[in-house]
Amino acid sequence: KAGVTQTPRYLIKTRGQQVTLSCSPISGHRSVSWYQQTPGQGLQFLFEYFSETQRNKGNFPGRFSGRQFSNSRSEMNVSTLELGDSALYLCASSFGLADYEQFFGPGTRLTVL
Amino acid sequence: AQTVTQSQPEMSVQEAETVTLSCTYDTSESDYYLFWYKQPPSRQMILVIRQEAYKQQNATENRFSVNFQKAAKSFSLKISDSQLGDAAMYFCAYRQGAQKLVFGQGTRLTINP
Repeated sequence: KAGVTQTPRYLIKTRGQQVTLSCSPISGHRSVSWYQQTPGQGLQFLFEYFSETQRNKGNFPGRFSGRQFSNSRSEMNVSTLELGDSALYLCASSFGLADYEQFFGPGTRLTVL
Repeated sequence: AQTVTQSQPEMSVQEAETVTLSCTYDTSESDYYLFWYKQPPSRQMILVIRQEAYKQQNATENRFSVNFQKAAKSFSLKISDSQLGDAAMYFCAYRQGAQKLVFGQGTRLTINP
């Protein structure tokens, strides 16, 4: 069974631009969560989607948004990029909303110049 | 709000020896899950072991075991017979029901040959 895939793996943007990251969950998984990982803040929860609906949201500004499609694939968008948005963005999928195990993708490394 | 604390930013152990990583958490809930995740240098996060709070028996997965002290809100990970492939960042995490996964700051484990 294929794992969680994230595209692109690496991305370089400049301040003020916007970016869209994609996540394809494991087949059959309906829940997708997004995390931001930085050396200073560690792993921080962004949001979680289940059946195309946002179920949980972390403490991030409105510049961070996401969505989930009917095939469970998810995208997250960051508008008006800031230098502090440079991070590894991880996506994780699970079968259900409260399932104990989340399977993580390799991440997208975003660098904002 | 729930918080997870890993007080050891870095740990090192000789190959074949045993090492224990510490984790404490803060919650007012009685039913929740605790996890240890491993993030090797390749960046793909994988689940090492999980513990359901209602279970008194400590979880074990091969060389990995936990010491779960619910009253003390402590959840340490013991790695026996350490191997070079165990070198990674280890994250302790907490989840209550369908709420978000909350991670600790991580412990970088080095294995000395």
